[in-house]
Amino acid sequence: SQKIEQNSEALNIQEGKTATLTCNYTNYSPAYLQWYRQDPGRGPVFLLLIRENEKEKRKERLKVTFDTTLKQSLFHITASQPADSATYLCALVPGSSNTGKLIFGQGTTLQVKP
Amino acid sequence: DAGVTQSPTHLIKTRGQQVTLRCSPKSGHDTVSWYQQALGQGPQFIFQYYEEEERQRGNFPDRFSGHQFPNYSSELNVNALLLGDSALYLCASSLAGTAINQPQHFGDGTRLSIL
Repeated sequence: SQKIEQNSEALNIQEGKTATLTCNYTNYSPAYLQWYRQDPGRGPVFLLLIRENEKEKRKERLKVTFDTTLKQSLFHITASQPADSATYLCALVPGSSNTGKLIFGQGTTLQVKP
Repeated sequence: DAGVTQSPTHLIKTRGQQVTLRCSPKSGHDTVSWYQQALGQGPQFIFQYYEEEERQRGNFPDRFSGHQFPNYSSELNVNALLLGDSALYLCASSLAGTAINQPQHFGDGTRLSIL
C-alpha cells in the first residue's frame, strides 16, 4: 500500500542545535516533495519544495534533501530557535498527478528549548 | 494582497445535520482544493475545483460535495454529518498550470465539531 510517514514522536532539542526531521514514503513515485510548517490552530505554511531530480535545496537556515533511492527526505533546521517550535509536515505530489494534489505525512512536532 | 480566507472559523453541529463551509482563494489564484485534517494527523485531500468543475477527488464519500463560483471562491458541503467528520477543514488555492510545481496557499481552516 502507499504510505508517507514521519516520526510521530515529538522532537525536543536545545536552542542552537540542528533539528533533523525525516519523511519516508513507499509505493509512490513523487514528482515533487514539499515541506510545510503548521502552528496550532493555523493552516500549513509552505517552506521548501524539492524536485525528484534535485538532491538538496537550501533556504536560509533550512535545508531539504531528497533521496529517491532510499525513498526519503530529510528536513534540517540549523541554529534552531524557540520560534521554530511547530509541527512540520512533508507532502508529496505523485508523478502521475497533473493537479498538484498533495499527499501529507502525519507531521512531526518540534519543540526547541531555550 | 489578501491570502486565502475561510469562514466560519468554528462551527458546532449535531449528527445528521448538513454544513456549508466557504473559501476565498488568494488573489490571482483560480484553483481551490479542500483538505480534512483530523487531530494529530496530516491533511487529507478531499477534492479540487477548477473552472467551476470538480477536477480530482480523494477517497471521501458522496456526502462531501463542493462548488466553485465564477469569482473562483468555493464551498464545501457535507450532508448527514457523522461524529467522525469532526476535523479542521482547510482550503488551499493555487494557479492552474503551475499547481504541480508550486506551493499551495492554505487558509487557517474551519474547525468543525459534531456533537
